[in-house]
Amino acid sequence: EAAVTQSPRSKVAVTGGKVTLSCHQTNNHDYMYWYRQDTGHGLRLIHYSYVADSTEKGDIPDGYKASRPSQENFSLILELASLSQTAVYFCASSPGQGGSGNTLYFGEGSRLIVV
Amino acid sequence: QQKVQQSPESLTVSEGAMASLNCTFSDGTSNNFRWYRQHSAKGLEVLVSIFSDGEKEEGRFTAHLNRANLHVSLHIREPQPSDSAVYLCAVENYNQGKLIFGQGTKLSIKP
Repeated sequence: EAAVTQSPRSKVAVTGGKVTLSCHQTNNHDYMYWYRQDTGHGLRLIHYSYVADSTEKGDIPDGYKASRPSQENFSLILELASLSQTAVYFCASSPGQGGSGNTLYFGEGSRLIVV
Repeated sequence: QQKVQQSPESLTVSEGAMASLNCTFSDGTSNNFRWYRQHSAKGLEVLVSIFSDGEKEEGRFTAHLNRANLHVSLHIREPQPSDSAVYLCAVENYNQGKLIFGQGTKLSIKP
């Protein structure tokens, strides 16, 4: 059974609208991440969190907010969706900090199209 | 800023032939290297992690690391059509707490 689940798996949003992508993990991991993937680019880190009720900026946080209400749940929020935010978004979890020897476990991705 | 480049962008290999994917990185102090596989409309699964120069085998997947040449490769033995996917290289730097992904190689295995 999938340990990191994302919803929705696919969404079409209108420019200027609000979009919320949700992520739930059953790994009991402290760290959770949101990445975006664009054609021709690797995954780029948007926001991450290592404890409930706290979030940290990643490499490309502009235009995105994040929320970690519990250890299991991590949301990505686009308050005013723009065309440039069309991408596939991946959530991941890890027992310790990514980049420090800890394996990330990914969800199946959420495809967002902004029109 | 660490740069991670993968080559080729796409690769087609016949079933049963060896598939070889390449990844170069710019920061020689990088500590750990992982190869992920991404099937269409699926999440990423880690295939092999390598920390030291040399090779690391996980089933049909073998990673080769050469830090001096800033190069890590993935070799897939006896690839099958089900191995058709995008393969991503990920490079970690413990001091910076950074994990940087390459842009991916799209591998197609033809029967």
